[in-house]
This record gives sequence, C-alpha cells and structure tokens, in this order.
Amino acid sequence: AQSVAQPEDQVNVAEGNPLTVKCTYSVSGNPYLFWYVQYPNRGLQFLLKYITGDNLVKGSYGFEAEFNKSQTSFHLKKPSALVSDSALYFCAVRASGSARQLTFGSGTQLTVLP
Amino acid sequence: GAVVSQHPSWVICKSGTSVKIECRSLDFQATTMFWYRQFPKQSLMLMATSNEGSKATYEQGVEKDKFLINHASLTLSTLTVTSAHPEDSSFYICSARDPSSGRNNEQFFGPGTRLTVL
Repeated sequence: AQSVAQPEDQVNVAEGNPLTVKCTYSVSGNPYLFWYVQYPNRGLQFLLKYITGDNLVKGSYGFEAEFNKSQTSFHLKKPSALVSDSALYFCAVRASGSARQLTFGSGTQLTVLP
Repeated sequence: GAVVSQHPSWVICKSGTSVKIECRSLDFQATTMFWYRQFPKQSLMLMATSNEGSKATYEQGVEKDKFLINHASLTLSTLTVTSAHPEDSSFYICSARDPSSGRNNEQFFGPGTRLTVL
C-alpha cells in the first residue's frame, strides 16, 4: 500500500517570507514523488517531481522540494512567497515500476498574506 | 505538450438525468486515463482507471453501473454519470499518461468538470 500525509491543513505565511509545505510518504520500494497546485475550480497543475538523482528538485514558479529518504519526506519550499502562491497544494506518490495510479495527500491550503 | 482537456467545464442537471463528461489528450496518445472525484476542500479520490480498448478498472466502493467509463480511442475517455442525484455533485478530474515519451511516470491532469445535480 502507498500513502501520503500532509500534516497541515492550512499554512499561512507573510509575503516575502520563506514557505514550507510538509509531506511524508509511505511506499514499497523506491518512490516517485510529485507536487501539484490547484487554484479554485481548476484542475491540478504540475509543480515538480522526484524520480531519481539529486535530492533537491527545482520546479515551476520558484518552488523546490527536497527528497529525504531517511525521513520519508518530500517537503515543498520557496525562498520568498508571493500572494499569488495562495492555493491548495497536493503531494502525491507512486511506487517506481508500478502501474498504479498516484496516491494523493489530503492537501494543504497555503495563504500568503500581503 | 501533454495537454489534457475536459468538456464541459461545468454542468447543471436535474436529478434522474445522465451526464457525460469527456476527457481528451490533445497532443499525445493515452492508453491509460484516470478519473478522480474531489469534494470541496478534500483530496482527489481515484474512481477508476480507464484503459483504451478494454473495460475500466473501478476502485472499491465505486458503482460501475452508475459511473460508466468508455475509452474508445487513444485520445478520448468519457465518464457518464447515470441517473444523477444531488449527492453526485462534485468536481470530476481526469488525468492521462503519455507512455510514448520519457514522461511515463507523469500524469497530466485536465482542468476538471464541476457537476451540480439539482
């Protein structure tokens, strides 16, 4: 079985400050990890992924995430938050080599305050 | 590249009617598409996996006869909500994989369809 936990339902941060959205996962074997962003009444937009290689992954809109195998985490980060970053963020996992679909976390609502 | 579209983007229907939602991969062929359902402020829940040319694989608890899935071509999958009821009101999102490229590990998502059943 594979699962994802996003422990924070809501994260608030001031504009210009760094932000972190937490994600931990559980999967058999090596994980494929993803972050998606969703704006109201819209589908999911891909931000970044970890498949293999460098543990620090850089993605769209200045976001990055660090894969930590020992802690089974894949936290999303951005050095300086923008008000326009306010949205719902989902972490997802799939076991490498698996034909299974992605398993999503419960989502974290990020609010960047001006 | 790797664009997935959905039609319609929103639909309102009366209770008891059927609604068809289309999911298209615009610039690639998708042998596998996925249908998700999302309730307000909740995560995406997989409903079924749609395989081109064969029957869909439904997740536990999803009624096959209520949510009919057809994947007749490599670029189109349809989800039909039959005899819709107000509790079927939700946001339905499809996704597709592009097996021909090196991005087989990625899923590309459609913009979603908001269904409201009166």
